[in-house]
Amino acid sequence: KAGVTQTPRYLIKTRGQQVTLSCSPISGHRSVSWYQQTPGQGLQFLFEYFSETQRNKGNFPGRFSGRQFSNSRSEMNVSTLELGDSALYLCASSLGATSTDTQYFGPGTRLTVL
Amino acid sequence: AQKVTQAQTEISVVEKEDVTLDCVYETRDTTYYLFWYKQPPSGELVFLIRRNSFDEQNEISGRYSWNFQKSTSSFNFTITASQVVDSAVYFCALSEVSGGFKTIFGAGTRLFVKA
Repeated sequence: KAGVTQTPRYLIKTRGQQVTLSCSPISGHRSVSWYQQTPGQGLQFLFEYFSETQRNKGNFPGRFSGRQFSNSRSEMNVSTLELGDSALYLCASSLGATSTDTQYFGPGTRLTVL
Repeated sequence: AQKVTQAQTEISVVEKEDVTLDCVYETRDTTYYLFWYKQPPSGELVFLIRRNSFDEQNEISGRYSWNFQKSTSSFNFTITASQVVDSAVYFCALSEVSGGFKTIFGAGTRLFVKA
């Protein structure tokens, strides 16, 4: 069974631009969560989707948004990029609710904002 | 509020030494789940173990073992006879059933195993 895939793996953007990251969960998994990982703040929860519905959102500004499609694939979007958005963005999928199920992580997208 | 504390920022050991990574958590829920993940230099988090709050049995998997103690809110992870390939960052995480479907991670412990 294929694991969680994330595209692209690396991105370089400049301040003020917008970026879209993609995540394909493990086949059969219906829940997708996104995390931001930085050296200073560690792993921080962004949001979680289940059956195309956002069930919870972390403490991030409205510039961070996401969605999930009917095939469970998910995208997250960051608008008006800031230098502080440089991070590794990790996507995780699970069979059911992330509060009870194990999350399986993708390799991440490393975003650099110049 | 939920919180996970991994007080050890970095640990360095010599190969074949045993090493314990500490994890202390805070939660008001009676039903919750604890996890350990490994993040090698490649960046991808690898699932190691999941434990629910009602199961305090210790777990052993090869060279890995976990000690869950609700009385001290700790979920410690021990690697026996460490190997260079164990070098990675290890994260402890907590999910509350009432936590609104999010998982909180500790800051991680970076383990260096020297040959």
